Amino acid sequence: KNEVEQSPQNLTAQEGEFITINCSYSVGISALHWLQQHPGGGIVSLFMLSSGKKKHGRLIATINIQEKHSSLHITASHPRDSAVYICAVKGVDFGNEKLTFGTGTRLTIIP
Amino acid sequence: EAQVTQNPRYLITVTGKKLTVTCSQNMNHEYMSWYRQDPGLGLRQIYYSMNVEVTDKGDVPEGYKVSRKEKRNFPLILESPSPNQTSLYFCASSLRIGGFANTGELFFGEGSRLTVL
Repeated sequence: KNEVEQSPQNLTAQEGEFITINCSYSVGISALHWLQQHPGGGIVSLFMLSSGKKKHGRLIATINIQEKHSSLHITASHPRDSAVYICAVKGVDFGNEKLTFGTGTRLTIIP
Repeated sequence: EAQVTQNPRYLITVTGKKLTVTCSQNMNHEYMSWYRQDPGLGLRQIYYSMNVEVTDKGDVPEGYKVSRKEKRNFPLILESPSPNQTSLYFCASSLRIGGFANTGELFFGEGSRLTVL
């Protein structure tokens, strides 16, 4: 079983819909990253969280450390949001800077 | 412009022919890392470096070497490439990663698609 599980694996929605992508992990973490991979392959960092909630434009990321769960929300979705969204976690061990990744959620927004 | 630059972007080579993929960042970041991405497996960390002369293994280090002689450069070396190293490779850098300050944005290179025949 992967240490990091994302759901759903694939998501298709109509433009304007509210989108939620989930990330669950099984180990104690000190930080969680949300990344966006464009159809061309480039990867962009969206958020890094260690607690609470962050917002950037139409994107909101939340994390619940006790439940080992994070969500990425997109409000008023647009076709340009079509991409693969990846979460990655960093463990709590001091000096261990490894990142473990989920396999991604492929989001398609239909005009 | 802040960037991470990888070269080459595309490479087809043959089994056993040593190759190096270069990675350079212009942001004075301490942390640099290499990942490979394979269909169905997602991104997996190969090696990372917390600073000059400090490197450590990720989850899939077999068949790879790295060095960090200068802060800005972190080359990935395949001494004797094999077909199972055919993959899409990404280099990334960060000022910090983890911790309590909620900092540590990761900056990725554009990727290097490697095919080993």
